[in-house]
Amino acid sequence: AQSVTQPDIHITVSEGASLELRCNYSYGATPYLFWYVQSPGQGLQLLLKYFSGDTLVQGIKGFEAEFKRSQSSFNLRKPSVHWSDAAEYFCAVGALTSGGGADGLTFGKGTHLIIQP
Amino acid sequence: GAVVSQHPSRVICKSGTSVKIECRSLDFQATTMFWYRQFPKQSLMLMATSNEGSKATYEQGVEKDKFLINHASLTLSTLTVTSAHPEDSSFYICSFDRVADTQYFGPGTRLTVL
Repeated sequence: AQSVTQPDIHITVSEGASLELRCNYSYGATPYLFWYVQSPGQGLQLLLKYFSGDTLVQGIKGFEAEFKRSQSSFNLRKPSVHWSDAAEYFCAVGALTSGGGADGLTFGKGTHLIIQP
Repeated sequence: GAVVSQHPSRVICKSGTSVKIECRSLDFQATTMFWYRQFPKQSLMLMATSNEGSKATYEQGVEKDKFLINHASLTLSTLTVTSAHPEDSSFYICSFDRVADTQYFGPGTRLTVL
């Protein structure tokens, strides 16, 4: 069975500092990997996704993530955080079904990002 | 980006009553959609997958008779929590599979059962 581990429940970062959120996954085949952000009162917003190809993926809002198969990791990074980045971040793994449709996602428990002024 | 709405955003009901949550995609059609449940400070757990016109497939441990899913059209799905109890209190989130590899999520519905 697939699983996702986000080892950091909370992370506090000063505004303007760099950020790295960790994500490790367990999956039998090549996974589809996602990072979502959840803000209060809003739906999950897709930051970026990895399916294949270049292991460094660029997303929205200045985020990027790197897929490392040898470490089963897909860490999210941002060189300089803004106060508006404070939110809950979820890493997720999914796959395609045998029929080519999407399968439900397995989420990590999330990392709560706090931005210090 | 794709827009998915959920209604209501919050609902409070008495134990034993049924509650219907509506999930609608506003600017695209999707064959497949998903319902998730999120407990406070915890992750999203997949409850069920449904394809338009077919019966939903429920994850292990999810009672299909308690959580009724009707995928009425390519833009509308409903989740009915039947005979709700306090332990059903949770945050319910739907998503539509817009393309075969990316899901778009609704803002969620907070259910409180007294």
